[in-house]
This record gives sequence, structure tokens and C-alpha cells, in this order.
Amino acid sequence: AQSVTQLDSQVPVFEEAPVELRCNYSSSVSVYLFWYVQYPNQGLQLLLKYLSGSTLVKGINGFEAEFNKSQTSFHLRKPSVHISDTAEYFCAVSDSGTASKLTFGTGTRLQVTL
Amino acid sequence: NAGVTQTPKFQVLKTGQSMTLQCAQDMNHNSMYWYRQDPGMGLRLIYYSASEGTTDKGEVPNGYNVSRLNKREFSLRLESAAPSQTSVYFCASSESHPAYSGNTIYFGEGSWLTVV
Repeated sequence: AQSVTQLDSQVPVFEEAPVELRCNYSSSVSVYLFWYVQYPNQGLQLLLKYLSGSTLVKGINGFEAEFNKSQTSFHLRKPSVHISDTAEYFCAVSDSGTASKLTFGTGTRLQVTL
Repeated sequence: NAGVTQTPKFQVLKTGQSMTLQCAQDMNHNSMYWYRQDPGMGLRLIYYSASEGTTDKGEVPNGYNVSRLNKREFSLRLESAAPSQTSVYFCASSESHPAYSGNTIYFGEGSWLTVV
């Protein structure tokens, strides 16, 4: 069975500093990987996704993530964060099997301060 | 540009009461979902409808029922609410079931339900 681990429940960072949100997954087959963002009192929206091809994926708002198959990771990065990036970030994995499902991690709260 | 619309946004229920959460999408998507979000547990799938006319259980279906009324609408019913069902509920949709092609899921803004 597939699973997703987001080791950091909270990540505090100062504005304009770089940030990395970690995501590790386990699956026995090929996977699709996603990062979703949830701003306060809103639903989730897609930040970026990896389906195939280049392992470096660029998303909205300057975020990017790198798929590392050997380390089964899909860490999210941004070189310089803004106050407006304060939100909850969810990593999710879906395997490519016909009986697959989408599994979400428990989320990482990114808190950006001045 | 409504996307996924769910109602009500807030609801307080007494234990044992019933209620239905309504959801509609205007993106002509085939697949729809109901998730619940609880602190420290991420999102858990309650039920989904891969296509009109079909519904399937997700990870946590107990205590819930669903109806795919038509291609646009997918409702979630709590027949006899319990305090353990206090949660934030999200309806979502995708062009087709994400299992097959890595489709993006589009979420509604959530419904905050408290059972006392």
C-alpha cells in the first residue's frame, strides 16, 4: 500500500528566506506526485504535480519540487518566501495501477514572518 | 468561475440529527469526491464517484451515505450524526478518476460541521 510522510508539521521561516518542505512516499509501482496548498479557510488548490519526464517540476507562485526516485522523495522548495505563502501544504501520491487511489500526507504548516 | 460549490459552509448539529451536505461542480467533470479534514490527519476520502451513476467507499465511509444526483451534483448525508463526525468536509472533482492519469483534483471551500 502506498503512503506519504511529511515529517515536518510546522516550518517557521522569515520572509525572503529559502524554504524546503519535505515529502517522502512509499509505493511498489510507478507514482504520480502532487503538492497542494491550502490558504486559511479555503479549499486545497494544486501547486504542482509530477507525472513523468523531467524530475524538476515548476509550479505556481515560484515553487518547485524535485522527484527523486532513489530516495522516494518529492521535496518542495522556494528560494525566497513571502508573507502570502503562509499556508498549509499537502503532499499527495497516486500510483499508476488500475486500482490506485490518491493518498494525502498530514500536511506542513508554513508560517512566514517578517 | 464557480468551480466546486458546497453548502452549507457552517453547521452545528446535535448528536443523532441528520443532515445533507450539497456539492455541485460546473467544470463538466466526471469524478467527484468527499473528503474530511481533521487536525494532524490530513485529508481522508469518505466516498467517491468515478463517473455518473457509480459511487464507491473510500477510506472512512462509516456513518455516511452519498448520492450522485447527476453529473454536476454529489451529496453527502449523515444519517445520525456523532461527535466523531465533527470535522471540515471538502467536496472535490476531477476530469476523471485520478488513479488512471494523474488528474488534478479541484476542491470546494469546505463545510465546517460541529456535532454536539
